Amino acid sequence: QTVVTQEPSLTVSPGGTVTLTCGFSAGAVTSNYYPGWFQQKPGQAPRALIYSTSNKHSWTPARFSASLLGGKSALTLSGVQPEDEAEYYCLLYYAGTRVFGGGTKLTVL
Amino acid sequence: QVTLRESGPALVKPTQTLTLTCTLSGISLSASGMCVSWIRQSPGKAPEWLARIDWVEDKYYNTSLKTRLTVSRDTSRNQVVLTMTNMDPVDTGRYYCVRDEYSFESGEWWFDPWGQGTLVTVPS
Repeated sequence: QTVVTQEPSLTVSPGGTVTLTCGFSAGAVTSNYYPGWFQQKPGQAPRALIYSTSNKHSWTPARFSASLLGGKSALTLSGVQPEDEAEYYCLLYYAGTRVFGGGTKLTVL
Repeated sequence: QVTLRESGPALVKPTQTLTLTCTLSGISLSASGMCVSWIRQSPGKAPEWLARIDWVEDKYYNTSLKTRLTVSRDTSRNQVVLTMTNMDPVDTGRYYCVRDEYSFESGEWWFDPWGQGTLVTVPS
């Protein structure tokens, strides 16, 4: 069974920078897995931030960026704001299916 | 504007079959590259991808749930239907449909927008 791994939790100070990663049990994450990133706040549906490795949606704040790093997909938040406190999920495309990671709870403190 | 809306029963008894409908507006199920995925999210847990149907009606399923899931579409109504058999209390959660689209022009996939989701409860 394919598993997507994320840090369970991270803490960052306001104004700081943090990187969340997304690994894959099947091997290195590449652009062929079209990694996407989603933000979810309590009581809301997940909201897409990044698609196909590093592309931002029109509503994605500029402080969010994504890339491939060390065989993983990486989401970097630069100049973190209090409103960035949320759960973050990555999503990979694999053999016609989709696989979500377990999520990273980001605390801004 | 592209929107998706899920509908279906809020309460399903154990062993029953769940049938959910996703109604799309602003997009065509027949458009090249257009797919719809179903996702569920149990309380306090990560989303779980369930199934996808694409523009040529190919279907893909979560391997762990494959024997219980069926996805279909009605292009005349612009709807996608998901059925899940033998429901259990662990299947309680919010079920979402999402546009899951591939662009042949750019070679990119995007997974948005999501419907608002429909909450399904299976009592113990």
